[in-house]
Amino acid sequence: DVKVTQSSRYLVKRTGEKVFLECVQDMDHENMFWYRQDPGLGLRLIYFSYDVKMKEKGDIPEGYSVSREKKERFSLILESASTNQTSMYLCASSFDRDRYSNQPQHFGDGTRLSIL
Amino acid sequence: GENVEQHPSTLSVQEGDSAVIKCTYSDSASNYFPWYKQELGKRPQLIIDIRSNVGEKKDQRIAVTLNKTAKHFSLHITETQPEDSAVYFCAATLGDSSYKLIFGSGTRLLVRP
Repeated sequence: DVKVTQSSRYLVKRTGEKVFLECVQDMDHENMFWYRQDPGLGLRLIYFSYDVKMKEKGDIPEGYSVSREKKERFSLILESASTNQTSMYLCASSFDRDRYSNQPQHFGDGTRLSIL
Repeated sequence: GENVEQHPSTLSVQEGDSAVIKCTYSDSASNYFPWYKQELGKRPQLIIDIRSNVGEKKDQRIAVTLNKTAKHFSLHITETQPEDSAVYFCAATLGDSSYKLIFGSGTRLLVRP
């Protein structure tokens, strides 16, 4: 069974802090994703990575950056946290042999981040 | 930009009745359509998916239909049970790439015992 693990379930930080959210998957997936989930807005893609050291912006990348130094780990970084970044953050991963194989994404349990 | 619209936002049914959730997508190149179920406080979990070369797919009480011409797809749950109560999300690939999924805004399904 696929395991996607996010380092924290709940996190409270202060405005202006640099915040790191960590995600690890154990299935040797090429693709990893970061979403934020807000009521009534569904899941919105922040960044994704299709290989080590590769990243692409999603729909709402402003205020965020990512790092993928190892295949199993994908980090989301809030450079200077702001109150409008209070949200649920979900990490996901998927396996793709090639770009068009449409493999499902598997999600972690999420990190509920509060910025005070 | 491309989007996925999902309706209704909330749905309440009596146990044993059927539930239908509908989604429309804007990108005619989309070719993969997964459905996720998210119970309260838990991760979204894939319950069924369909590819663009198929019109319908069933898995026990769950079925998904796809109309490529109209660019809409639907989730059908028959003989609903209280444990079906959750938020359901539809999604569609952006173009023919499997990297990016665009999600609907979610449907909160309540099954009344």
